[in-house]
Amino acid sequence: GQNIDQPTEMTATEGAIVQINCTYQTSGFNGLFWYQQHAGEAPTFLSYNVLDGLEEKGRFSSFLSRSKGYSYLLLKELQMKDSASYLCAVVYNTDKLIFGTGTRLQVFP
Amino acid sequence: DVKVTQSSRYLVKRTGEKVFLECVQDMDHENMFWYRQDPGLGLRLIYFSYDVKMKEKGDIPEGYSVSREKKERFSLILESASTNQTSMYLCASSLSPGGRLHEQYFGPGTRLTVT
Repeated sequence: GQNIDQPTEMTATEGAIVQINCTYQTSGFNGLFWYQQHAGEAPTFLSYNVLDGLEEKGRFSSFLSRSKGYSYLLLKELQMKDSASYLCAVVYNTDKLIFGTGTRLQVFP
Repeated sequence: DVKVTQSSRYLVKRTGEKVFLECVQDMDHENMFWYRQDPGLGLRLIYFSYDVKMKEKGDIPEGYSVSREKKERFSLILESASTNQTSMYLCASSLSPGGRLHEQYFGPGTRLTVT
């Protein structure tokens, strides 16, 4: 079966750097998404990786290693508004999408 | 900007009632999805549709049905609501299946409580 693992919760301090890991076991890998979801709101797109390496977008970066079935989301210069859940989602078997259970990040002053 | 709207933000229904959740997207997307989201379980796919009049079961279709009569509208139906269907329901759409085009745009969600 298909499986995605993420830590359930993380905490960090404002201004710090945090790395949220995601490991997956899927067939026919065809890309990995990261979404951000604030409490009570809908998930919104953050990044997409399909090739190995790092994709940088402002304070957020996402890394992928297909051989290891591993990705991480790196958040720099943390702000209070970054307190949210971060969802890892993998496209597999060409057109199927599976979400991880999400990592709840709390940023403290 | 893609907009996905859902008919209600909050809904309270009684056990045994038939419940309709409506979803509309305005960007001519081919694909539409219904998920439920529960603490500790994440997003779970109920049904999806890649074309008008087409529907496919997701991971947890039991107790649900769907209807897609028009490209922009995807309805989720709870035939006889039960308390274990109390959840947050999220509708999403994407341009096309596969790869980057599978980016999902979500509606604001409907928090359904069945008493």
